[in-house]
Amino acid sequence: NAGVTQTPKFRVLKTGQSMTLLCAQDMNHEYMYWYRQDPGMGLRLIHYSVGEGTTAKGEVPDGYNVSRLKKQNFLLGLESAAPSQTSVYFCASSRLEYEQYFGPGTRLTVT
Amino acid sequence: DQQVKQNSPSLSVQEGRISILNCDYTNSMFDYFLWYKKYPAEGPTFLISISSIKDKNEDGRFTVFLNKSAKHLSLHIVPSQPGDSAVYFCAALPGTGANNLFFGTGTRLTVIP
Repeated sequence: NAGVTQTPKFRVLKTGQSMTLLCAQDMNHEYMYWYRQDPGMGLRLIHYSVGEGTTAKGEVPDGYNVSRLKKQNFLLGLESAAPSQTSVYFCASSRLEYEQYFGPGTRLTVT
Repeated sequence: DQQVKQNSPSLSVQEGRISILNCDYTNSMFDYFLWYKKYPAEGPTFLISISSIKDKNEDGRFTVFLNKSAKHLSLHIVPSQPGDSAVYFCAALPGTGANNLFFGTGTRLTVIP
């Protein structure tokens, strides 16, 4: 039982490049989430999904897109990366809306 | 605007003593509160939670207290152990069916052996 895994762990992008972060969970959770954490700030919700095929915007959705084609996977896309998107990205999943389980994070640097 | 605030960025405590981490919130719609613990280079892990219908929840060495009138909650760890050294985040959920966890900025706890 791996829990929540994230791929890749580190990535450096140039401004304007695109990339996709992959989150996978093996706990059969309905809910999945993408957060970003910046220095001196708490985690902020980017997008979330309440089930396969559904997505919704969180607190800071601009510049990101998501897809949930399979229940166990939640993808976060950056179409045109900007330096302001330099951050640590965390994926989480939960059975209900409480007690989310987090992945280890992806450290993204945009130069 | 930060709806969940942790005003102490850091706290140092001697091993064996009590650690008290504080959290304040501004949104009266929050009705479920959680504490997460985070080690470097790892994701946050769930520690303990409390519903707004309670004022205390205890799990082993960890106790969370909720004062709704003051919009304040606290996490007590007793006795503190060196392995408790981590960043602690307070988080809140607004109402049934909500999915957006609002996090505080975290408090770094250092337990000195």
